[in-house]
Amino acid sequence: QQKVQQSPESLIVPEGGMASLNCTFSDRNSQYFWWYRQHSGEGPKALMSIFSNGDKKEGRFTAHLNKASLYVSLHIKDSQPSDSALYFCASPRAGGADRLTFGKGTQLIIQP
Amino acid sequence: GGIITQTPKFLIGQEGQKLTLKCQQNFNHDTMYWYRQDSGKGLRLIYYSITENDLQKGDLSEGYDASREKKSSFSLTVTSAQKNEMAVFLCASSIWGGVYFGPGTRLTVL
Repeated sequence: QQKVQQSPESLIVPEGGMASLNCTFSDRNSQYFWWYRQHSGEGPKALMSIFSNGDKKEGRFTAHLNKASLYVSLHIKDSQPSDSALYFCASPRAGGADRLTFGKGTQLIIQP
Repeated sequence: GGIITQTPKFLIGQEGQKLTLKCQQNFNHDTMYWYRQDSGKGLRLIYYSITENDLQKGDLSEGYDASREKKSSFSLTVTSAQKNEMAVFLCASSIWGGVYFGPGTRLTVL
């Protein structure tokens, strides 16, 4: 069964700084990964997905995937107070493209 | 765009009580899910349904029942609330490549 581990559990970054979130997974057959963001009092919302090894950039957000190392990361450039949230990485479990296994999350706090 | 609505937003129950949470989606998605979120434990899958009247158990189905009588709605029943239980229950729906979550129902058991 797919296991997803996230680090760190919490992270404090000054406004304008770079936030880096990490995720490792156990299933070598995993094809793609999602990053979700959850603001307090809301449900998680998909930020971005990544399928191929290497980097994928969307605005201030860059996801990096290394399937051989079973590793995916998310980097947030020029962090804003509105980026303060709980971030999850997720990957499909075997047999279900949309049945995701989630990590426990990284709590990101951007300090003004 | 679509929306997922969960009712109620807050639910306070008594130990041993049977409690029902409701979810509606207007995305016209086939698959719907119930996840439980506890602090420090991420999201855990309780039940999912790939079509109307279908039910599949997730990792945490013991102590819960679910019902999918219409494509647009999926309900979850806590069969016997546990004392001091506190969690957020998240409903979601999906089409290949994207899972969309509702805002959650926050459960407190006294």
